[in-house]
Amino acid sequence: GIQVEQSPPDLILQEGANSTLRCNFSDSVNNLQWFHQNPWGQLINLFYIPSGTKQNGRLSATTVATERYSLLYISSSQTTDSGVYFCAVPIYYGGSQGNLIFGKGTKLSVKP
Amino acid sequence: EAGVAQSPRYKIIEKRQSVAFWCNPISGHATLYWYQQILGQGPKLLIQFQNNGVVDDSQLPKDRFSAERLKGVDSTLKIQPAKLEDSAVYLCASSQRDREGELFFGEGSRLTVL
Repeated sequence: GIQVEQSPPDLILQEGANSTLRCNFSDSVNNLQWFHQNPWGQLINLFYIPSGTKQNGRLSATTVATERYSLLYISSSQTTDSGVYFCAVPIYYGGSQGNLIFGKGTKLSVKP
Repeated sequence: EAGVAQSPRYKIIEKRQSVAFWCNPISGHATLYWYQQILGQGPKLLIQFQNNGVVDDSQLPKDRFSAERLKGVDSTLKIQPAKLEDSAVYLCASSQRDREGELFFGEGSRLTVL
């Protein structure tokens, strides 16, 4: 089955710093999602990004589907950015593509 | 627009007891999912419903787990009897029919089995 690998597994930043998180996937996909799991456990949608680049405030994401990777950029990090960042790609089953395969996540800690 | 609602948020039970979790998806979302997230790992799909029909339950441990979505709206996930290794967060998600790959998650139900 498809493999999703994220790097780095852990990242510690000083508040205000920038960072890049990477997601590699082993097979072609037609969409990809980035999530932030906050310290209370909720998965928050960041981007639904099959290809190209999207921006939302201090966060942006780029997916290069032909090269099977996606990048999440966090600029001017804040302590509230702490948590685990997951990327996930869907697989097809029974004519549906809802089953998301998640990477192991990048745990981000932003220090004040 | 209200998000995915789940209850209870926390549950502590002893092994061999039973537990049930409830989920109400975003209004109008035809597809509903239950995921299990064990500490330190990414979520893993347990079961996917399209309206009230099961699309994928290949990773559901059917000897102890069951789920239903009788009227195509809210859903219940049951574990009976619980084992220690069932300690996890159970996440419910939903998606629109025409954007099935874009999932929206609830806050989760954290289960501790003692």
